[in-house]
Amino acid sequence: AQRVTQPEKLLSVFKGAPVELKCNYSYSGSPELFWYVQYSRQRLQLLLRHISRESIKGFTADLNKGETSFHLKKPFAQEEDSAMYYCALTGAGSYQLTFGKGTKLSVIP
Amino acid sequence: GAGVSQSPRYKVTKRGQDVALRCDPISGHVSLYWYRQALGQGPEFLTYFNYEAQQDKSGLPNDRFSAERPEGSISTLTIQRTEQRDSAMYRCASSLGAGGANEQFFGPGTRLTVL
Repeated sequence: AQRVTQPEKLLSVFKGAPVELKCNYSYSGSPELFWYVQYSRQRLQLLLRHISRESIKGFTADLNKGETSFHLKKPFAQEEDSAMYYCALTGAGSYQLTFGKGTKLSVIP
Repeated sequence: GAGVSQSPRYKVTKRGQDVALRCDPISGHVSLYWYRQALGQGPEFLTYFNYEAQQDKSGLPNDRFSAERPEGSISTLTIQRTEQRDSAMYRCASSLGAGGANEQFFGPGTRLTVL
């Protein structure tokens, strides 16, 4: 069975401090990993995916197959980064996304 | 163009009543997904449509839940004989291509409360 674990329900950091949102997964095969974000009063939206290897809004995430992790990082947090972040996984030929429980990031001014 | 829309945005119903939740995907998107999100949890997959074909309904919790997409566009998720445990946010998403690897665009969700 596939599973996504986000160990932190809430993460508070000061503006300008580095941010790391943790995500670990369990999947027997080659997964595709995503980070979705939900800002206040907005809908859930894709932030980034591991296959594109992009930096979006200063965030990056590297898939570590050895540690089965896909942590989301940003070197300098901004107030507008405050949101709910969900790590998600899908497998080859699968239609569904499996989400973690989410981490609420709060950036303190 | 418009994103995924869902209606109603909020639904309060009494236990035992049937409810129908509607999803209007982005025009041209062939794939449509339904998820349910309980408080404090991430979204959980319910069902998936490729055009009008329901190709995966493995996430539907029991036979009170059903979904359809008769013309390959708008979809309806129906919950019969609602129970309090059905209270949750119901999210619809659509994607241009088939399969979970395609970016899924989410609607605003319908918050269902069963009294």
